[in-house]
Amino acid sequence: AQSVTQPDIHITVSEGASLELRCNYSYGATPYLFWYVQSPGQGLQLLLKYFSGDTLVQGIKGFEAEFKRSQSSFNLRKPSVHWSDAAEYFCAVGLYNNNDMRFGAGTRLTVKP
Amino acid sequence: GAVVSQHPSWVICKSGTSVKIECRSLDFQATTMFWYRQFPKQSLMLMATSNEGSKATYEQGVEKDKFLINHASLTLSTLTVTSAHPEDSSFYICSARAGLRTDTQYFGPGTRLTVL
Repeated sequence: AQSVTQPDIHITVSEGASLELRCNYSYGATPYLFWYVQSPGQGLQLLLKYFSGDTLVQGIKGFEAEFKRSQSSFNLRKPSVHWSDAAEYFCAVGLYNNNDMRFGAGTRLTVKP
Repeated sequence: GAVVSQHPSWVICKSGTSVKIECRSLDFQATTMFWYRQFPKQSLMLMATSNEGSKATYEQGVEKDKFLINHASLTLSTLTVTSAHPEDSSFYICSARAGLRTDTQYFGPGTRLTVL
């Protein structure tokens, strides 16, 4: 069955430290891949997406993600975290030619001063 | 970038009443709109997909007679929660996609529904 896994429910990093949020998917074909961020009580903001081409994708707010087909992963990275990055992060995959979107359970990021 | 609005942002209603939530694409025409439900500290669960001018397609387990979806124009979709009960209390989020399946879904800010 198709699934999206975000193994880390909660991550805490110090401000200025690097960040990597993990995302793995299970799907027979290459899906469309997305990372969204959600602040408390808010909707979702698109950070970046991968449809095809270069497997290293640059997004907004200094985020990037790398698609690794061999590992079925699409991990999100940021070299230096800011306090304003504290939020919930969702990985999502678009299946069946992006007609059906599935979300991971989310990873809550806490940033320590 | 593409902007999607929702109205109201929060609503409190009595059990047994109906509540309508609007989702609008402000600067693009949305051929397809999606409605999601999010429980506290959980992920988004797709409820239904609606294409302009067509009946919505509901996900398994979602009662179509309880969650009425109308997508009458390319910029507006509505979700009506009929005969609401406390268990319908949740955060409802819509998203909109311009046309091609490769297009990105843009999300609204969500509507917090509390049923007393």
